[in-house]
Amino acid sequence: TQLLEQSPQFLSIQEGENLTVYCNSSSVFSSLQWYRQEPGEGPVLLVTVVTGGEVKKLKRLTFQFGDARKDSSLHITAAQPGDTGLYLCAGPAGSSNTGKLIFGQGTTLQVKP
Amino acid sequence: GAVVSQHPSWVICKSGTSVKIECRSLDFQATTMFWYRQFPKQSLMLMATSNEGSKATYEQGVEKDKFLINHASLTLSTLTVTSAHPEDSSFYICSGTGPYGYTFGSGTRLTVV
Repeated sequence: TQLLEQSPQFLSIQEGENLTVYCNSSSVFSSLQWYRQEPGEGPVLLVTVVTGGEVKKLKRLTFQFGDARKDSSLHITAAQPGDTGLYLCAGPAGSSNTGKLIFGQGTTLQVKP
Repeated sequence: GAVVSQHPSWVICKSGTSVKIECRSLDFQATTMFWYRQFPKQSLMLMATSNEGSKATYEQGVEKDKFLINHASLTLSTLTVTSAHPEDSSFYICSGTGPYGYTFGSGTRLTVV
């Protein structure tokens, strides 16, 4: 069974601090996605990583895909209150092209001003 | 960009009644849509895959007679929670696969009293 394990599950930090969220699996994924979700809203795609070792940057957010394509990380530099939300990693479920996604448990981030 | 419109955004219903949630792809055709359920501060759990013109496929443990899915057109999928009970209270989210990948609706907060 494919599982995506995210850590930490909860993170409360002060504005300006840096943080890293991890998404780990024992399974190989063809790609992984990161989403951010605000309360009462659906998830919004931040990035998709597809190549082992790939690093993508989105302003203060840096995403990395592990060389073996079993893990990914999200690093936020100088966090701001606007970064507060639920961060989810997700990957294609199974080997067949069903289009299904499996999600990690999520990381709830609170950035205090 | 691809937009998925989900309605209603919130609904309160009495125990024993049925509630219909609509999910529309506004600017793309979605032969497949996915329905998720999410509890507070938790991740998304896939409930079922909605296939245009054919029966939905349900994940293990999801009652197909309780969560009726209809996907009659390429732009509309509906989820009907039948004979709702308080334990069905949750946040329901749909998603469609558009030209830019997965696009999620804004979710429906269902409260059964």
